[in-house]
Amino acid sequence: DAGVTQSPTHLIKTRGQQVTLRCSPKSGHDTVSWYQQALGQGPQFIFQYYEEEERQRGNFPDRFSGHQFPNYSSELNVNALLLGDSALYLCASSFRRLNTGELFFGEGSRLTVL
Amino acid sequence: GQQLNQSPQSMFIQEGEDVSMNCTSSSIFNTWLWYKQDPGEGPVLLIALYKAGELTSNGRLTAQFGITRKDSFLNISASIPSDVGIYFCAGHNNDMRFGAGTRLTVKP
Repeated sequence: DAGVTQSPTHLIKTRGQQVTLRCSPKSGHDTVSWYQQALGQGPQFIFQYYEEEERQRGNFPDRFSGHQFPNYSSELNVNALLLGDSALYLCASSFRRLNTGELFFGEGSRLTVL
Repeated sequence: GQQLNQSPQSMFIQEGEDVSMNCTSSSIFNTWLWYKQDPGEGPVLLIALYKAGELTSNGRLTAQFGITRKDSFLNISASIPSDVGIYFCAGHNNDMRFGAGTRLTVKP
């Protein structure tokens, strides 16, 4: 049973570029949440997708957008990258009907913006 | 916003010692959870608490959901070297909010 998988694991971009990160949820899960984790900090909630729609959103600008596909996988897109976007981006999956807050995390995509 | 204040920021202990860390919030949460993150990996769920006052154990780990629903603590008994890592508290309503973490170092 595959857990949450994310790609790529590492990437380097320059300011102003755009990036797309991908996530496949744990088998049986239908909800995907994205988090940004800066060095030395806890994960910060970006948004959550369920039934291919954004359901909840944290305090992130519109440069951060996402998508969920019919197979429950998800993408995080960040436009006009800033140096401050450098972070570990974590994808977490869950089963919405349980709504227990028990999240299963991937290993993350580490983005460096130069 | 739903800020979680986690303390201490870091701990350096001797193998075999007990550890205690806690988390407080100005907001009420329906669920409190504790996660552990090892270097290069995503957080892994340790314990989830669903009711105010609930005390739950998972091996050497014990956690409690505060009666006010605004706080939680995690205890680790008889620490071992593999307990090293960053421990995060998290509060859940419709989405999950995390504390800044407690970095635990265990000296053999």
